[in-house]
Amino acid sequence: EPEVTQTPSHQVTQMGQEVILRCVPISNHLYFYWYRQILGQKVEFLVSFYNNEISEKSEIFDDQFSVERPDGSNFTLKIRSTKLEDSAMYFCARQGSSYNSPLHFGNGTRLTVT
Amino acid sequence: GEDVEQSLFLSVREGDSSVINCTYTDSSSTYLYWYKQEPGAGLQLLTYIFSNMDMKQDQRLTVLLNKKDKHLSLRIADTQTGDSAIYFCAELSGGYNKLIFGAGTRLAVHP
Repeated sequence: EPEVTQTPSHQVTQMGQEVILRCVPISNHLYFYWYRQILGQKVEFLVSFYNNEISEKSEIFDDQFSVERPDGSNFTLKIRSTKLEDSAMYFCARQGSSYNSPLHFGNGTRLTVT
Repeated sequence: GEDVEQSLFLSVREGDSSVINCTYTDSSSTYLYWYKQEPGAGLQLLTYIFSNMDMKQDQRLTVLLNKKDKHLSLRIADTQTGDSAIYFCAELSGGYNKLIFGAGTRLAVHP
């Protein structure tokens, strides 16, 4: 059973549309992350989120991206105006019980931008 | 910048041992990880090793770390068909658990 649940499993959207990818951690944790994997490429860090604030973000995470935890449970990644190159697998991850604990990933959302 | 390199493909016979190798560049990495990805699935944490260790064993899995050469390996004993997957090496770099991943090694197990 995954420790992190991501929805939807697959999202198809048209270029220029907004998408929201969701992540539901099963238990209450403070550290959350988004990573992405473009087909055939490496898994890349996007952003880390601690105590309801962004703690670190990569160059990929530009103004088109945003994250929030609107209701204290769901953790969302929003892409404001999708581009073809945003097509990828997006993984949410949560920290273990302490800062040095390893990351546990969800099954991912496959985003296809047409 | 930080980089992690892995060979892309490994084919082994069922019952043999598999050894997947990885090299990394960040000598200040504190943790190194192995994740497994089966088709259509997410990244499953297999094992990890702290940088002050040389070896870690967990059932059929053995991780060896050579800090001097910045080389990490994952040995799977008695490889089974269910071990067929992509195996990712990752190093912890910088703060806030920013993981740098390798491209993944596709392990194919044949009878």
